[in-house]
Amino acid sequence: DAKTTQPPSMDCAEGRAANLPCNHSTISGNEYVYWYRQIHSQGPQYIIHGLKNNETNEMASLIITEDRKSSTLILPHATLRDTAVYYCIVRVVGSNSGYALNFGKGTSLLVTP
Amino acid sequence: EPEVTQTPSHQVTQMGQEVILRCVPISNHLYFYWYRQILGQKVEFLVSFYNNEISEKSEIFDDQFSVERPDGSNFTLKIRSTKLEDSAMYFCASSRTENVEAFFGQGTRLTVV
Repeated sequence: DAKTTQPPSMDCAEGRAANLPCNHSTISGNEYVYWYRQIHSQGPQYIIHGLKNNETNEMASLIITEDRKSSTLILPHATLRDTAVYYCIVRVVGSNSGYALNFGKGTSLLVTP
Repeated sequence: EPEVTQTPSHQVTQMGQEVILRCVPISNHLYFYWYRQILGQKVEFLVSFYNNEISEKSEIFDDQFSVERPDGSNFTLKIRSTKLEDSAMYFCASSRTENVEAFFGQGTRLTVV
């Protein structure tokens, strides 16, 4: 799986949009971009994933650049409960070999009042 | 909302003892996983399990570890002879297929003394 690069930490004011970048310049054509988060040592929580089109769900939006070398996770109205470590993971889908998620160090997002 | 449940939440064991960590995956899921997180470090993949056999495992998952689905609902991780370095949070996860998001349990904190 391709490696990802994320800033180690970010701050965001409550109510504002949090934009978390991820660089995956070596991503290959069959690799998806997944985002998970971990709130204070709880189990990781799935947020969103995509291949090349932008995606949106009730939690977040995922913007993937046209060359797919980077992406941004957007939390449109951050709340204090969104304080967590956010992981950007790229993974081949359909490999028929399981589901090993390669969690890196992620970005520690602090949402402040 | 269906969830993955893990028991116990915290287990303390003496070095050299066997421990069994238990998980109840979401009922219609077919893929099951164990991950661990040593305090302050990243989440690491251990093993994935599908159709009653291991489909993928990491180099961490050596002969001391085994997994089992003893009945239709439980999924267990056994560590045969625990070492101090096995102290970690162990997360169970499940997914409907290998191509969709995995749902994680809240973890079992294993402390080896």
